[in-house]
Amino acid sequence: GDSVTQMEGPVTLSEEAFLTINCTYTATGYPSLFWYVQYPGEGLQLLLKATKADDKGSNKGFEATYRKETTSFHLEKGSVQVSDSAVYFCALSLSYGQNFVFGPGTRLSVLP
Amino acid sequence: NAGVTQTPKFRILKIGQSMTLQCTQDMNHNYMYWYRQDPGMGLKLIYYSVGAGITDKGEVPNGYNVSRSTTEDFPLRLELAAPSQTSVYFCASSLRPNTEAFFGQGTRLTVV
Repeated sequence: GDSVTQMEGPVTLSEEAFLTINCTYTATGYPSLFWYVQYPGEGLQLLLKATKADDKGSNKGFEATYRKETTSFHLEKGSVQVSDSAVYFCALSLSYGQNFVFGPGTRLSVLP
Repeated sequence: NAGVTQTPKFRILKIGQSMTLQCTQDMNHNYMYWYRQDPGMGLKLIYYSVGAGITDKGEVPNGYNVSRSTTEDFPLRLELAAPSQTSVYFCASSLRPNTEAFFGQGTRLTVV
């Protein structure tokens, strides 16, 4: 079935470190891909998205590229800040069924 | 812009009580979803709807019911609350397949 796998963490980094959170997917068809962020006590917010192969989504210094050949959508940021501490969810969107499949989330803690 | 609005934000229920979690969206989205998020865990789909009058079960529907009489509203009903239903509940909506979902702020429910 359709699924999303991501590194579960927790990931702890020092401020200004480089961030990579891996995400791979399995899907029948051609999904859109998303990264959502959840700050403590809040709902999920869309961070970035990509709708076709080789698309790069970017926002707030975060980037992810839709790689169809490796079925991946890894999240990267060159220099993390304490304010980036949150849980990050990789997700795919389908054109059928329940429509969204979420990964388990990766908790990121950034230390000053 | 209101987006997706959930009420209440917090609720404590006694075992066996019932309640309705309200969700409304003002974006004219066809698709709506209910998820639960247990502490430190990812999202599990309870029910979803692809339009007014149409609902379907997700991964964990037992103990819940939904209705979708209008495009805007998608209430979630808990009958005979149990401690296992202690969780944070998120409502979300999307315009159509392969587009991003917008989330509410969540309802934190405790069953004692």
